[in-house]
Parts: sequence; structure tokens; C-alpha cells
Amino acid sequence: GQQLNQSPQSMFIQEGEDVSMNCTSSSIFNTWLWYKQDPGEGPVLLIALYKAGELTSNGRLTAQFGITRKDSFLNISASIPSDVGIYFCAGQDGTYKYIFGTGTRLKVLA
Amino acid sequence: DTGVSQDPRHKITKRGQNVTFRCDPISEHNRLYWYRQTLGQGPEFLTYFQNEAQLEKSRLLSDRFSAERPKGSFSTLEIQRTEQGDSAMYLCASSLTTYEQYFGPGTRLTVT
Repeated sequence: GQQLNQSPQSMFIQEGEDVSMNCTSSSIFNTWLWYKQDPGEGPVLLIALYKAGELTSNGRLTAQFGITRKDSFLNISASIPSDVGIYFCAGQDGTYKYIFGTGTRLKVLA
Repeated sequence: DTGVSQDPRHKITKRGQNVTFRCDPISEHNRLYWYRQTLGQGPEFLTYFQNEAQLEKSRLLSDRFSAERPKGSFSTLEIQRTEQGDSAMYLCASSLTTYEQYFGPGTRLTVT
């Protein structure tokens, strides 16, 4: 099935560093969601974006809805060990169905 | 407010057997979705219910798969004559609107 491109695929960072990841699509989306998934668990919703150019924060997380509506970005500031996990973007084209990205695997070195 | 729950969390079955999974959505959510996630991939859409009506089925959902939501509350996903390729995490999500979907913990299926 179709999956969105996420970059980077994986990253190792030091605790306290800032993290940036992005998600790109060949299609235009009306809504972007960002999720975090721990091993063996379901994805947990972090941030929802509804409008092109929108910048939304949730604690140390900030996400942006790209102006072209074909991309989205997630930043994590001052990373901590519990930020470890897989981050997924998901785009919706105006129907109820979301297309998910391939995931960015984050590992934080204490 | 309890979240989405799924049962069982893990299922090991032999090839050819039938399996059924249950999903209980967040209580006021009338929309329910099933996704499948294989190792190293993001979730892939399988099917969608609004109340008790199944409004869309993905082409990923072969004839061996059937989903129901009989009273617009919980939902079941049945796989008949399981194959090794069915091994995956089956995720259920629910929502009040078409936007924010909340996932359950998933059912990990292993077909031996």
C-alpha cells in the first residue's frame, strides 16, 4: 500500500539535543497527524494540524503543516530518554482515511 | 475516559485456523477503523465503520477477512483460513470526527 516518505529513517542523538524530522507526499493533504509508537504498543497521537502553514506545539514538540500541503515537520526540543520510539506522520486527503509514513526511529543516548 | 481497547493482545495460531479480534472504541466515538501494521512499516488502512455501517474496505482486505460492528459499539475482525502472510499487528482506532484518530494497543497475530 501507499506510504509517505519520512526522513530520516533513524537517528541517534544525545540527550538534550533538538530533533527534526519531516514527512513528504506527492499528494496534497488537508490534515496531518503525528504519532509516537513504542514497541508492541499502538500509536499515540501527539499533534494534529489542520491548515497549511499552521504551527502547533505540545510541550517540547512542535509540528508544522507545510505551505505546499505536501509536507509536514516535527521538532522535539531538549530530547530526553523517554522520547525513544518510532514517530509516524499521517496525512488525510479530506476523506476519513489516513496514509501513514514509513516512520522515523529515534534513539536517545543518555 | 478509557481509551480504545483490543482483545486479545497476542494471538498465535496455526496456518488454516480462523481467528477473531475484538475492538472496543472510546465510548462516544461513532467512527471506527481497522489498520494492519507489519514490521518496520506504518499502519495501513483496512476498513472503516461509521456507526454500524461499513463504509469502505481496502483492497488489502481479502475475502478471508470480515469485519463487523453490529450495534455501532464494539467491532470484530475475523480472518478465516489464516496464512503466514497474515502475521502482523492489527490496530483499531476510533474517532468522534473524521480528523483525530485514537489507536488501541493492537493485537499481535503470529501464524505458524
